[in-house]
Amino acid sequence: ETGVTQTPRHLVMGMTNKKSLKCEQHLGHNAMYWYKQSAKKPLELMFVYSLEERVENNSVPSRFSPECPNSSHLFLHLHTLQPEDSALYLCASSQDRGSRELFFGEGSRLTVL
Amino acid sequence: GDSVTQMEGPVTLSEEAFLTINCTYTATGYPSLFWYVQYPGEGLQLLLKATKADDKGSNKGFEATYRKETTSFHLEKGSVQVSDSAVYFCALTLNDYKLSFGAGTTVTVRA
Repeated sequence: ETGVTQTPRHLVMGMTNKKSLKCEQHLGHNAMYWYKQSAKKPLELMFVYSLEERVENNSVPSRFSPECPNSSHLFLHLHTLQPEDSALYLCASSQDRGSRELFFGEGSRLTVL
Repeated sequence: GDSVTQMEGPVTLSEEAFLTINCTYTATGYPSLFWYVQYPGEGLQLLLKATKADDKGSNKGFEATYRKETTSFHLEKGSVQVSDSAVYFCALTLNDYKLSFGAGTTVTVRA
């Protein structure tokens, strides 16, 4: 199994839908991250969790709601999204908040119609 | 704020050609610098890193030297292969976890 697994790999949703992205890491890490990757823009850090506690919320709109029920799982709940939210959402983990090497999943490609 | 700027792509070159991807940074302190690579259909993975001035990171034939005087961390490889086709990201961090990434440079290597 790969270290960081994201599901679904592709998601198409309408602006009134509610959906969730899931991330699972099998590396025994204590920190998990959500990044947004849009075309021709730098990766944007959205949220950081360390030992299941949110330590960073990078001015992300409330229509994105993260959840970290344990150190191995991270969710991103989506509701009433906008077309400009279409992007690749990447989950990452690291040994702990002080570790500078991130391990990324393959991403969830989101399209908002 | 702290940021990296890397050359825009796409970059297309032939096998065995020399590759350089420029990266410069702006930071208030002394950052650690990284190159991440994203192969088609995959997530990002760490390629190499350098944590202080004059350090050279190297991996898979790629090298980058942390140049404080020019605030640069250019990525180089002497002879590329088709399998090096990917998107390359320069990144920095000043504190423990907040990585700032560049926009990425798409590299295509033709046989």
